[in-house]
Amino acid sequence: ETGVTQTPRHLVMGMTNKKSLKCEQHLGHNAMYWYKQSAKKPLELMFVYNFKEQTENNSVPSRFSPECPNSSHLFLHLHTLQPEDSALYLCASSPPPADPSYNEQFFGPGTRLTVL
Amino acid sequence: KNEVEQSPQNLTAQEGEFITINCSYSVGISALHWLQQHPGGGIVSLFMLSSGKKKHGRLIATINIQEKHSSLHITASHPRDSAVYICAVRGNSGGSNYKLTFGKGTLLTVNP
Repeated sequence: ETGVTQTPRHLVMGMTNKKSLKCEQHLGHNAMYWYKQSAKKPLELMFVYNFKEQTENNSVPSRFSPECPNSSHLFLHLHTLQPEDSALYLCASSPPPADPSYNEQFFGPGTRLTVL
Repeated sequence: KNEVEQSPQNLTAQEGEFITINCSYSVGISALHWLQQHPGGGIVSLFMLSSGKKKHGRLIATINIQEKHSSLHITASHPRDSAVYICAVRGNSGGSNYKLTFGKGTLLTVNP
């Protein structure tokens, strides 16, 4: 238990559906991340938010739309996904530079997404 | 070629055996992380290293900066150690120093 929660844990959706993934942390961290983990591939960084501002978009298709309303919550809105988007989507957070754990990232349990 | 290479990809051991997982990287780094991922997905940080060696219980991690190589050792392995072990490096170039680059992971199975 790292203090980063994700909902839902499992999601099955059709290609025409719209759904959202949610990530929450109350650890006082200022940075939040979305990662995609596909089978047989390394984790891929998708988005980074620092103090609610997006600081990284790693060439992610527009069918993935992140939202960070505050430093504790991060969403990933999904629409018109493809079957190849099926993967484990992991959220992580990290503390501000003044914190001794600054270089650590704390991961949530992930959402297992299946696109039919 | 991935910037972070792990070996082996899969490892099966008998309970009690000494385990070594290797990680090689090709970029300059400020730190290297070893992570553990159990079935179900959650990832836990085991070590963060920038030099030398760290030990936590039965786990030992070493890094050789000159050779761009790190190893994770598990002594007296146990079935509960079965998991995917992931090596990740943190870059050392300006604004990208929060970014982690991950290896593909090593699937460890420890049989009783």
